[in-house]
Amino acid sequence: GAVVSQHPSRVICKSGTSVKIECRSLDFQATTMFWYRQFPKQSLMLMATSNEGSKATYEQGVEKDKFLINHASLTLSTLTVTSAHPEDSSFYICSARTSANTDTQYFGPGTRLTVL
Amino acid sequence: QKEVEQNSGPLSVPEGAIASLNCTYSDRGSQSFFWYRQYSGKSPELIMSIYSNGDKEDGRFTAQLNKASQYVSLLIRDSQPSDSATYLCAVGEGTYKYIFGTGTRLKVLA
Repeated sequence: GAVVSQHPSRVICKSGTSVKIECRSLDFQATTMFWYRQFPKQSLMLMATSNEGSKATYEQGVEKDKFLINHASLTLSTLTVTSAHPEDSSFYICSARTSANTDTQYFGPGTRLTVL
Repeated sequence: QKEVEQNSGPLSVPEGAIASLNCTYSDRGSQSFFWYRQYSGKSPELIMSIYSNGDKEDGRFTAQLNKASQYVSLLIRDSQPSDSATYLCAVGEGTYKYIFGTGTRLKVLA
């Protein structure tokens, strides 16, 4: 149990385009999903916390108009990187919390974004 | 600024030895602690969580927590080359968020 999927696994796009990344909890309902970004040889940095049916809470320094998060259902959250630039190239990983009684997070496989 | 610190390594141990990974955290009020393993190019996978002082064992892995010293560790017994990865310590903060350490790279030498 507690399987999280992400799509796509890898995307290459031109500068200025927008990219949407999907995060799905496959065998549970996720009340909370988290979006992280990881640059090479660095740790995971939390970008935002996403709760179903409400606006995401962004971490300090993360532009909410650039990184649009939608959590429309208990099994799906999306991250859209708008007007992507080369400095947005990174490994984007989502995670989900399985229930209201646990703070354990299960991670998706990640999406490698390369902006040319 | 709440911090989680780990030695970046690499920590090299021979196959079959015990690998000891350490993590310290700054927030004395932290209540939940997690160890994740991350292979290169992959996302983290949960090894174990620990909430109470003392040891928690799961197979070859033992997590140790000392809240008074603000210290959590992970022991890997009978280390295998397949254990070679980066081990991330995460500390729960606030509303179910984590603060991650920078990770310790472990190399198990065959």
